[in-house]
Amino acid sequence: AQSVAQPEDQVNVAEGNPLTVKCTYSVSGNPYLFWYVQYPNRGLQFLLKYITGDNLVKGSYGFEAEFNKSQTSFHLKKPSALVSDSALYFCAVRDRNRNNNDMRFGAGTRLTVKP
Amino acid sequence: DVKVTQSSRYLVKRTGEKVFLECVQDMDHENMFWYRQDPGLGLRLIYFSYDVKMKEKGDIPEGYSVSREKKERFSLILESASTNQTSMYLCASSPNWVARGYTFGSGTRLTVV
Repeated sequence: AQSVAQPEDQVNVAEGNPLTVKCTYSVSGNPYLFWYVQYPNRGLQFLLKYITGDNLVKGSYGFEAEFNKSQTSFHLKKPSALVSDSALYFCAVRDRNRNNNDMRFGAGTRLTVKP
Repeated sequence: DVKVTQSSRYLVKRTGEKVFLECVQDMDHENMFWYRQDPGLGLRLIYFSYDVKMKEKGDIPEGYSVSREKKERFSLILESASTNQTSMYLCASSPNWVARGYTFGSGTRLTVV
């Protein structure tokens, strides 16, 4: 079965500094990978996804993520953090070789960007 | 834009009550999902459905059931609510193309007292 690990519960960065939120995954086949963001008292919003092709994926709000098959990782990055980026971030994986469409999520990483 | 609507943002129910959480999507998606979200545990899949009247158990189905009588509506039922079911419940939908992500509702925060 597919699974996701987000090793950091909390990430703190200063505004203007680069940020990284880590994610590793496990699937029996090839993955589809996703990042979602959740603001307080809201549902999850889609940020970006890796399906195939270029390992560097660009998404909403200046975020990007790099797919690394050998390390089974899909870390989320942004060159210059904003205070408004403070939120809860979830990595998710789907196994493209499975017929079911269910997705598995990590436990989430709370990003705090300080002014 | 696809919209997934959960009927209640906040609910307070008593232990032993039967609770219905409703979810409606307006983009003709085949697949619908119910997750619960708890701090430190992330999102855990309760049930999902890939067609009308079809349902599949997720990772934590105990104490829950679901109903999908129409394509646009997916209901989560707590047969006899317990305090350990206090949580944020998130509904999501997606089309059949596996490469597509999900669209989420805003969530229902359920408190069982």
